[in-house]
Amino acid sequence: DGGITQSPKYLFRKEGQNVTLSCEQNLNHDAMYWYRQDPGQGLRLIYYSQIVNDFQKGDIAEGYSVSREKKESFPLTVTSAQKNPTAFYLCASRQGAGTDTQYFGPGTRLTVL
Amino acid sequence: KQEVTQIPAALSVPEGENLVLNCSFTDSAIYNLQWFRQDPGKGLTSLLLIQSSQREQTSGRLNASLDKSSGRSTLYIAASQPGDSATYLCAVREGRTGNQFYFGTGTSLTVIP
Repeated sequence: DGGITQSPKYLFRKEGQNVTLSCEQNLNHDAMYWYRQDPGQGLRLIYYSQIVNDFQKGDIAEGYSVSREKKESFPLTVTSAQKNPTAFYLCASRQGAGTDTQYFGPGTRLTVL
Repeated sequence: KQEVTQIPAALSVPEGENLVLNCSFTDSAIYNLQWFRQDPGKGLTSLLLIQSSQREQTSGRLNASLDKSSGRSTLYIAASQPGDSATYLCAVREGRTGNQFYFGTGTSLTVIP
């Protein structure tokens, strides 16, 4: 099965802890994205990566970090500097050609206790 | 910065009705526009993608139109079914670098049997 997997589905974190959300794709896509979704709001871009070993900040990158050491993996770390991390996090990928579509993973719901 | 708006925020219709969802965007410099479906607590599923040079796309009971100059897109759903109940989001891929996508807040659709 080709697709995007995110783990875990649910994640609980204590204040002051860093946590890492996993995103893996076996679609051989070049570009990968991390979005945050809050109730009643659209998706907001945190980070994106067009190719391996390269990534760019999105609109709300503060308090987050990423790495892209392998084409199929794009983990997101939510650091203690993120003041309001409770949200639904979605990972997406795109082939990288000019006219292609985004494919999304099932999401991770992060709750800070 | 691109802003994407979807109206209405929520819509409830009886089964069998035809309906239209609206999406507007402020910057007409786009690569493409995509419509997604999101079920509660799930990721996004792509429904239709319209390139900036196209006027419409069709898939089954769904038809999406694009008027780039006026910054508008509509998603037409024919003969609605209870299984169509979900949140529908539109997203535009910005045309200056092509690297970012901007999402609307979505329309929550309920089809009543």
